[in-house]
Amino acid sequence: KAGVTQTPRYLIKTRGQQVTLSCSPISGHRSVSWYQQTPGQGLQFLFEYFSETQRNKGNFPGRFSGRQFSNSRSEMNVSTLELGDSALYLCASSPGQGNSPLHFGNGTRLTVT
Amino acid sequence: AQTVTQSQPEMSVQEAETVTLSCTYDTSENNYYLFWYKQPPSRQMILVIRQEAYKQQNATENRFSVNFQKAAKSFSLKISDSQLGDTAMYFCAFMNVGDKIIFGKGTRLHILP
Repeated sequence: KAGVTQTPRYLIKTRGQQVTLSCSPISGHRSVSWYQQTPGQGLQFLFEYFSETQRNKGNFPGRFSGRQFSNSRSEMNVSTLELGDSALYLCASSPGQGNSPLHFGNGTRLTVT
Repeated sequence: AQTVTQSQPEMSVQEAETVTLSCTYDTSENNYYLFWYKQPPSRQMILVIRQEAYKQQNATENRFSVNFQKAAKSFSLKISDSQLGDTAMYFCAFMNVGDKIIFGKGTRLHILP
């Protein structure tokens, strides 16, 4: 089975712009979750989607949004980028039940200048 | 709110030695899951081991084992016969049933030749 695929791997944007990141989960996985990883804050949960519905949400401002499509692929959007949004954004998929483990992608490294 | 604390930001051990990474968490729930994830320089997070809170027996996966002390809310990871490939960032994580996963800030582990 193919793993979780995130595109692009690297991205450089300017303050004020917006960006869309993509995540393709493992085939058959219905849950996709997103995380922001920075050296200072560690790994922070953004949100989780299950069957196209947001199931859980972290404590991030409304500039961060996401969606999930019927094929379980997910996108994350960040509008009005700030310097502090520079981070590694990780996506993970799972079947979505119980303690099923998360399978992570390689992440998208976003740099905001 | 649930929290996960990893008190060792960085550790170094010689190859073939045994090393223990500490993790404590805080929750008022009784039923939850605990995980250790590894993030090598390639950036991809990989599940190392997981533990259900209702199970008293400590989980073991080859050279990796945990010491789960529910009353003390402690969940340490022991790596036996450490190998150079174990060099990575290790994250302890906690998840309530049906809720989002919460990660600690990580321990950077260096295995020295």
